[in-house]
Amino acid sequence: NAGVTQTPKFQVLKTGQSMTLQCAQDMNHEYMSWYRQDPGMGLRLIHYSVGAGITDQGEVPNGYNVSRSTTEDFPLRLLSAAPSQTSVYFCASSYLAGGVETQYFGPGTRLLVL
Amino acid sequence: GQQLNQSPQSMFIQEGEDVSMNCTSSSIFNTWLWYKQDPGEGPVLLIALYKAGELTSNGRLTAQFGITRKDSFLNISASIPSDVGIYFCAGQRIQGAQKLVFGQGTRLTINP
Repeated sequence: NAGVTQTPKFQVLKTGQSMTLQCAQDMNHEYMSWYRQDPGMGLRLIHYSVGAGITDQGEVPNGYNVSRSTTEDFPLRLLSAAPSQTSVYFCASSYLAGGVETQYFGPGTRLLVL
Repeated sequence: GQQLNQSPQSMFIQEGEDVSMNCTSSSIFNTWLWYKQDPGEGPVLLIALYKAGELTSNGRLTAQFGITRKDSFLNISASIPSDVGIYFCAGQRIQGAQKLVFGQGTRLTINP
């Protein structure tokens, strides 16, 4: 299994540009999530999905859209990039065992918005 | 949004020393998780704690779920160079991704 894969690894955008961060998992996990990591802030949840066709907002959803058309894929869209969205983005997939959720993270996408 | 208070923010130690870090919260959590992040990688789960008072080990790592359910600590014994990285605690109140809250991280640096 490849686990959780993310593309691209690095991206530079100009303010106002749009782009999609890709995330895929091959572990057949129902849950998938997007986090952003900023210095001194830990990881903050942007959006999450508990299954195909179901998405919901996390702690910092503004400026981001998501969709979940398949179990495997969970893309994150920036419609109009802003410098405040400069960050490292992590996708995670997870499963439930004994009522506890265990998350697996991708390697991250480093985004710079100029 | 709610954050966990993780301390210390950074540690500089000699190889072979023991390490201790902790997380505290004003809210109760049902699960505590400890992750390690290597440079350029995503976090990897080290230890998961499911019950108040639980003490769990994973090799040289030991973590405890506080009795009040508002704190947890992680100890690393006899540190080695590959222990370098950022350690995150995370609390989970109920099942579901939306309830996983992360601490700010502890950056561990080891001098050989």
